[in-house]
Amino acid sequence: AQSVTQLDSQVPVFEEAPVELRCNYSSSVSVYLFWYVQYPNQGLQLLLKYLSGSTLVESINGFEAEFNKSQTSFHLRKPSVHISDTAEYFCAVSVKAAGNKLTFGGGTRVLVKP
Amino acid sequence: GAVVSQHPSWVICKSGTSVKIECRSLDFQATTMFWYRQFPKQSLMLMATSNEGSKATYEQGVEKDKFLINHASLTLSTLTVTSAHPEDSSFYICSAHFGSGGSTDTQYFGPGTRLTVL
Repeated sequence: AQSVTQLDSQVPVFEEAPVELRCNYSSSVSVYLFWYVQYPNQGLQLLLKYLSGSTLVESINGFEAEFNKSQTSFHLRKPSVHISDTAEYFCAVSVKAAGNKLTFGGGTRVLVKP
Repeated sequence: GAVVSQHPSWVICKSGTSVKIECRSLDFQATTMFWYRQFPKQSLMLMATSNEGSKATYEQGVEKDKFLINHASLTLSTLTVTSAHPEDSSFYICSAHFGSGGSTDTQYFGPGTRLTVL
């Protein structure tokens, strides 16, 4: 079985400051890694994903995440946040052989302050 | 990106009644859909995998007779909460799997349905 741990339940950050959301996973087999974002009163949206290849993946809105196999981590970063980045962020893993089921972390609530 | 809808977006019902929630993939066909449950300020917990034309696969601890899942077509899956009780109050979210097993496969999520059982 897989598990995902998001170490920070809440991260307050000032506008234009950098932010890092930590994600660690546990699995006995290779996994695919995802970050989803849930804006207030909306459904989850895929932010970025790691399947294979380059360990650094980027999203279109300035977020990036780096897969570190030795540390079993997939931390999410953004060098300069905006008010509109206020949301809940979920890290997730899936195992292709398990039918693409997603296992989610507990979520990190990011509150961007002006 | 692909769009997944859920209906209703919110529902209030009396204890003991049944509630049906629909999940539709609007612009793609999904042989597999997933149903999740999200408690306030908590993460999503997978309830079951819905497969078109076959029985759903339930996660451990999820009562299949209470949470009936039907995946009648490639664009529609329904979740029926039978004999609902207050402890069933939650946010129910579906997702639809897009792809055929390649690297571009993605799950697209619906906006969720908030169920309140009085």
